[in-house]
Amino acid sequence: AQSVTQPDIHITVSEGASLELRCNYSYGATPYLFWYVQSPGQGLQLLLKYFSGDTLVQGIKGFEAEFKRSQSSFNLRKPSVHWSDAAEYFCAVASVYNQGGKLIFGQGTELSVKP
Amino acid sequence: DTGVSQNPRHKITKRGQNVTFRCDPISEHNRLYWYRQTLGQGPEFLTYFQNEAQLEKSRLLSDRFSAERPKGSFSTLEIQRTEQGDSAMYLCASSLGASTGELFFGEGSRLTVL
Repeated sequence: AQSVTQPDIHITVSEGASLELRCNYSYGATPYLFWYVQSPGQGLQLLLKYFSGDTLVQGIKGFEAEFKRSQSSFNLRKPSVHWSDAAEYFCAVASVYNQGGKLIFGQGTELSVKP
Repeated sequence: DTGVSQNPRHKITKRGQNVTFRCDPISEHNRLYWYRQTLGQGPEFLTYFQNEAQLEKSRLLSDRFSAERPKGSFSTLEIQRTEQGDSAMYLCASSLGASTGELFFGEGSRLTVL
């Protein structure tokens, strides 16, 4: 069965510092991979997605993620964090065979940003 | 606002009562999804529609839960005989087909069962 693990429940970084949020997935083939962000009182918003091709994908708000098949990972990175990045981040996977677009989410990583 | 709209945003009810949530997707989107999110967890898939057809239901969706999308536009999620374990945020999302996998989420409807 597909699953997603986000090992870090809560991370605190200083504003301007770099960020890496970890995501590991379990799936028998190459999945579709996503990162979503959820800010308080707002709906989940797609940051970026990976389907195929270049394993380094760029997203909105200066985020990027790298797909590493050998490690079953899809970590999210940002070189310099802004206070407005404080939010909950979710990694998600979808089956390439699932035409329904159903997503399996990790439990999330809450990001706090220190001034 | 042309995003996904959910109502009500908050619902407090007593155990045993029925509740209904409504979701209005982005108008041109033919797929509509319901997810449930509890505190400290990621969203869990409940069901999805393509147009008016309900194509998949999770095992999380017990017999007390029913979802409809009668005309392929808005959708309702009804929970009968609510239990305290039903307390959660119910999220609706829509998409244009499935090829991109990008779901557009509403802000959610929070249910508290006393």
